[in-house]
Amino acid sequence: QVTVKESGPVLVRPTETLTLTCTVSGFSLKNSRTAVSWIRQPPGKALEFLAHISSNDEKSYNPSLNNRLTVSKDTSKSQVVLTLTDMDPVDTATYFCARTYQQLLYNFFDSWGQGTLVTVSS
Amino acid sequence: DIQMTQSPSSLSASVGDTVTITCRASQSIRNYLNWYQQQPGKAPKVLIYAASSLQSGVPSRFSGSGSGTDFTLIISSLQPEDSATYYCQQSYNTLFTFGGGTKVEIK
Repeated sequence: QVTVKESGPVLVRPTETLTLTCTVSGFSLKNSRTAVSWIRQPPGKALEFLAHISSNDEKSYNPSLNNRLTVSKDTSKSQVVLTLTDMDPVDTATYFCARTYQQLLYNFFDSWGQGTLVTVSS
Repeated sequence: DIQMTQSPSSLSASVGDTVTITCRASQSIRNYLNWYQQQPGKAPKVLIYAASSLQSGVPSRFSGSGSGTDFTLIISSLQPEDSATYYCQQSYNTLFTFGGGTKVEIK
């Protein structure tokens, strides 16, 4: 059974760096047909893609976040880590981790974590 | 960046109705288009991938079509449990942008 689970702080102060961890089970981060992505959703708003890391460590980032994002993985721990620097109240959102599955040449998010609400406030 | 635009932003329909949601990409994405359903307080769930392929376990009343820049999600015979927000998402590249969502309410 595939599971993904986010963990991290619920409250972050403005200008601080957010670090979130996604712990996966039921699949390997070395599997070429799978990858992990981070998506966020501000309260009452739409989903926003943040970052993606593939099995061969290729990374992609939402360009609108102005180089504030970093994604990395520890295959031995089955964990993917997202950092977002210089946090602002507009970054208040539920942050989701999701497995990106490749069926033929098509990628989609087939397993999601429950999400973790991160509030940015002083 | 590839921008995804959904319409309408919300709709209200009765049980048994057929509902159509559209999604437009800012450039051709061939058929690299996915649809998700998000119920309140829950994580999204994939319904359709590759524009028209039904994900395993998803009821057959959900269907998708389109290619290039214009796509459609159809819910036939709307059920009470279909009350949710629906998102399209492009996978033409790994920037994976989402549409703004369509909220479906049951009358």
